[in-house]
Amino acid sequence: GAVVSQHPSRVICKSGTSVKIECRSLDFQATTMFWYRQFPKQSLMLMATSNEGSKATYEQGVEKDKFLINHASLTLSTLTVTSAHPEDSSFYICSAAKTGSGNQPQHFGDGTRLSIL
Amino acid sequence: AQKITQTQPGMFVQEKEAVTLDCTYDTSDPSYGLFWYKQPSSGEMIFLIYQGSYDQQNATEGRYSLNFQKARKSANLVISASQLGDSAMYFCAMREGANSGGYQKVTFGIGTKLQVIP
Repeated sequence: GAVVSQHPSRVICKSGTSVKIECRSLDFQATTMFWYRQFPKQSLMLMATSNEGSKATYEQGVEKDKFLINHASLTLSTLTVTSAHPEDSSFYICSAAKTGSGNQPQHFGDGTRLSIL
Repeated sequence: AQKITQTQPGMFVQEKEAVTLDCTYDTSDPSYGLFWYKQPSSGEMIFLIYQGSYDQQNATEGRYSLNFQKARKSANLVISASQLGDSAMYFCAMREGANSGGYQKVTFGIGTKLQVIP
């Protein structure tokens, strides 16, 4: 069964709306979670690394004020796309890794398809 | 420089045949891990197989095996006895510093689209 839950799976909203996406690890503690963005027919691009209890580490070119990340507990990280515009439409997917798991894979959520009208 | 290179944008394979998906990587870190993920059209990322840089044997998981050639820095995925349900995007990925204790970020290749033909 799924070990990482991502919600919602699909969002369609008007331009200017802020959208929050949740990523939960279901049966393990995740000190670190990752947020990716994927454009059609392209690979996953890491946006930021979410660290429990501290500020997220953003990749170069990713706007911190645009994509707010909160990792308030060992099982939950949220990504908020603030004042979303059509160019923010994309597939967003999170992943989580078990704490101390050097050779374990990341477990991915099922992704969120965001469409901004 | 690309850390993960997948040179096959698309591949076709006949059902029940074996297929190899290529992946080469670039790192100067002696400790790293290599992963393969499958992404069906529905979007979820499904973990298939893992190979650690210090592993002596090639990893195998059911119909999946990883042809790990460390000197050539290649980690090709072999799928045996292809099934129609294997049609999907396949991503090779690498995590450097795999045994460092912390969890380092993973870099993904651009993927290979595999289509299994009945």
